[in-house]
Amino acid sequence: DVQMTQSPYNLAASPGESVSINCKASKSISKYLAWYQQKPGKANKLLIYDGSTLQSGIPSRFSGSGSGTDFTLTIRSLEPEDFGLYYCQQHNEYPWTFGGGTKLELK
Amino acid sequence: EVQLVESGGGLVQPGRSLKLSCLASGFTFSNYGMNWIRQAPGKGLEWVASISSSSSYIYYADTVKGRFTISRDNAKNTLYLQMTSLRSEDTALYYCARWARYTMGIRNPLDYWGQGVMVTVSS
Repeated sequence: DVQMTQSPYNLAASPGESVSINCKASKSISKYLAWYQQKPGKANKLLIYDGSTLQSGIPSRFSGSGSGTDFTLTIRSLEPEDFGLYYCQQHNEYPWTFGGGTKLELK
Repeated sequence: EVQLVESGGGLVQPGRSLKLSCLASGFTFSNYGMNWIRQAPGKGLEWVASISSSSSYIYYADTVKGRFTISRDNAKNTLYLQMTSLRSEDTALYYCARWARYTMGIRNPLDYWGQGVMVTVSS
């Protein structure tokens, strides 16, 4: 199975700042990496897929980069609604696997 | 608007069975593959099972293979997860999620999720 290692585990930032979350795969997954946002009481939201493709309806302050084993989610100019949990997921091969999550908190 | 609403969760004793449902609306259900993902309390996400649009292809995580069965009824716009021989480690919030159709094949993400249904396995 492909192990997905996400870092950092916790991240504290203020509105207006930019942050980056990293995801490392235990072997190459080509470009097939997705990022999801999780917030209490709301359905999980797909942000980015294929490493860098922005899902329809997602603000352009979200961006993804990387290929192979190393990927990054960047959020520029944080908005209050961006605070929550973020997960990466490889969608290259079964079993699909997720990173352990990053909690983005208000500083 | 795409909506996925899970139901059927609850408290169940170890070794017993439970069947989850996910009612889909807002899209042509029969055109999309579907998935079950779970999240144990305070833990991360774990993929459980996938089923293609016509039920031709089905995949399971090793942790549930032989105990869980994913199925669908396209006439009822409903996805199911039959869970048998339940264990305490199956305690989790179970989500259904739609398999996006950006490309042919399996390499698509999960573009819509339900809010989940809780399953607690305890005596």
